[in-house]
This record gives sequence, C-alpha cells and structure tokens, in this order.
Amino acid sequence: EAGVTQFPSHSVIEKGQTVTLRCDPISGHDNLYWYRRVMGKEIKFLLHFVKESKQDESGMPNNRFLAERTGGTYSTLKVQPAELEDSGVYFCASSQGSGLSSYEQYFGPGTRLTVT
Amino acid sequence: RKEVEQDPGPFNVPEGATVAFNCTYSNSASQSFFWYRQDCRKEPKLLMSVYSSGNEDGRFTAQLNRASQYISLLIRDSKLSDSATYLCVVNEGNTGFQKLVFGTGTRLLVSP
Repeated sequence: EAGVTQFPSHSVIEKGQTVTLRCDPISGHDNLYWYRRVMGKEIKFLLHFVKESKQDESGMPNNRFLAERTGGTYSTLKVQPAELEDSGVYFCASSQGSGLSSYEQYFGPGTRLTVT
Repeated sequence: RKEVEQDPGPFNVPEGATVAFNCTYSNSASQSFFWYRQDCRKEPKLLMSVYSSGNEDGRFTAQLNRASQYISLLIRDSKLSDSATYLCVVNEGNTGFQKLVFGTGTRLLVSP
C-alpha cells in the first residue's frame, strides 16, 4: 500500500512569491492533516480535513495560507505571498475515517520550503 | 509551559542497553498518546499508540499514567538501528477533531 506522498520535496522561493504544496493521502483515508516544523521548534498542527471539509483550521498562522481538498482526495496548501518566517518543513498526514485507527496518523516525507 | 515536554537528550547508550524516555503533557483531557520515531531529515513514523495504561511491542514498552499526566517509552536490548529522535505526541482533539501536539523529541544514539 502506497504511503502519503508530497510534492515537491524541496522548494526555494523569494519573499513575496507564491508556492503551492501538494499532498496525496493514503488511499481511502478520509482524514488529512497539515503540519509544519520551523527551524528549532516542534512540529505544529495547521489544519484537518475530513473528506473535502475543513474540520479544524485553528493552527493556520494567517490568511496568507490557503488549504483546499477538492473532491476529498489530494490536498493543496498555498502560501501567498510567502514571507521569510514561512520557511520550514511542511508535513502532510492522513488517517482512516473512524474508530481508534482514525487517531493514528501517517506522515508523508514533507516539503522543505525555503523563502529567501 | 509547553504542552508536551521531553528531555531533548541526547541519550548515548551502548548496544544491548535498556533506555527509558519520559514525557509529560499539560492537557488532562487528552485521550490518546503516541510515540513516533523520526530519523534525520525524514518524516515521523508511528512507533506505538497508547490508549489505556500501556502497550508493548517486542522490545518497546510504553506506559501511561493519567493521574500524573506522564508517558514513558522503554527500549530494551538497544540496536544500532534504534538511533533516532523519539517524539512524544498527544492527541488533544475530541471525537471528530484530531489534533496532534508534539514534543520537541528525545535524541537517542546507540553505539557499538
């Protein structure tokens, strides 16, 4: 079974530019999450989709970040315009729809974003 | 105070040793707990889930003490391949809301 995949693996952009990150969850997983790790800090929650609906976006830092999950399959996270403090590793995770298994989140390899 | 606190280490142990990591969490309403393993520049990988008082899987044992809001991970007979960062993770979400809160991780170095 294929795991969570993310694209691109690395992105280097200039301040003020736009970047879009993509995440493909494990097939059949209704829950999709975005997390971020900035340098020297712990991994922090950004938001949670259940199918195509945003269940919790309390971790989104500001309105420069927009996440979508059209059709309840893959998700994109767009940063526009990017700022220096947005640099970090963006992880996507997914989990099954219900029961105890829904609590177990499986992570993708991450996208390393560098804003210069 | 951080929501999930861990000793950052590093813990340097020889092969075959037993090592234990501790973690405390601040949200008493948390219901599920996890240990993830993260290798350098890789994603966190789920190692163990803890829903009741504890869980054991081979050389790994996790214990939960809800009264003290404390979780531990014990690794027996350490292998070189156990060298990694171990992340204590707490699910602070309620039913339908799943929000993982991570500790900063404890680094383990197992030497020959």
